[in-house]
Amino acid sequence: DGGITQSPKYLFRKEGQNVTLSCEQNLNHDAMYWYRQDPGQGLRLIYYSQIVNDFQKGDIAEGYSVSREKKESFPLTVTSAQKNPTAFYLCASSKGPAPYEQYFGPGTRLTVT
Amino acid sequence: GQQVMQIPQYQHVQEGEDFTTYCNSSTTLSNIQWYKQRPGGHPVFLIQLVKSGEVKKQKRLTFQFGEAKKNSSLHITATQTTDVGTYFCAGPGTGNQFYFGTGTSLTVIP
Repeated sequence: DGGITQSPKYLFRKEGQNVTLSCEQNLNHDAMYWYRQDPGQGLRLIYYSQIVNDFQKGDIAEGYSVSREKKESFPLTVTSAQKNPTAFYLCASSKGPAPYEQYFGPGTRLTVT
Repeated sequence: GQQVMQIPQYQHVQEGEDFTTYCNSSTTLSNIQWYKQRPGGHPVFLIQLVKSGEVKKQKRLTFQFGEAKKNSSLHITATQTTDVGTYFCAGPGTGNQFYFGTGTSLTVIP
């Protein structure tokens, strides 16, 4: 059963703690993406990776870090430097860069108090 | 970064009425994609338009790409409660990624 998975679905953390969100895909896709979604706003790109061991910053990369050590995995770390980390985080993958369609995971809702 | 604007932000319609959302870019787009996100769910790819003036249909959904390739629209005929969700357009940026519009949230009143 091919797809893209994110875990956990809900995550709660105290302010000042780093937290890592998991994203795994078994679609054999080269490109992977992380988006942040806030109420009433669209999807804002945090980081993306077109190939293993390479990634680029999106529009709102400050306070986040990623790694791409394996093709299947693209974890996102929300650091304590991120001023407003509470949000819905979506991971996506695609066969290649634009214009290939993106497949999204179910998302992780992070709440930091 | 690149801007892709969508209007309206919210739309409430009676079941059976038509619905249209518009997407506008500040720059010419090589292509545009549309996604649907159900409440509590994740975006799902609907369609991609590539050619100037292109029109594509999926049952009650009609997608158009403007002649200048700077705007696009999604029209739903005779809405149903299953159409509820947020519709996003997405256009390619300079770095091989897509920029998503702000989305139009559709509520269908039965």
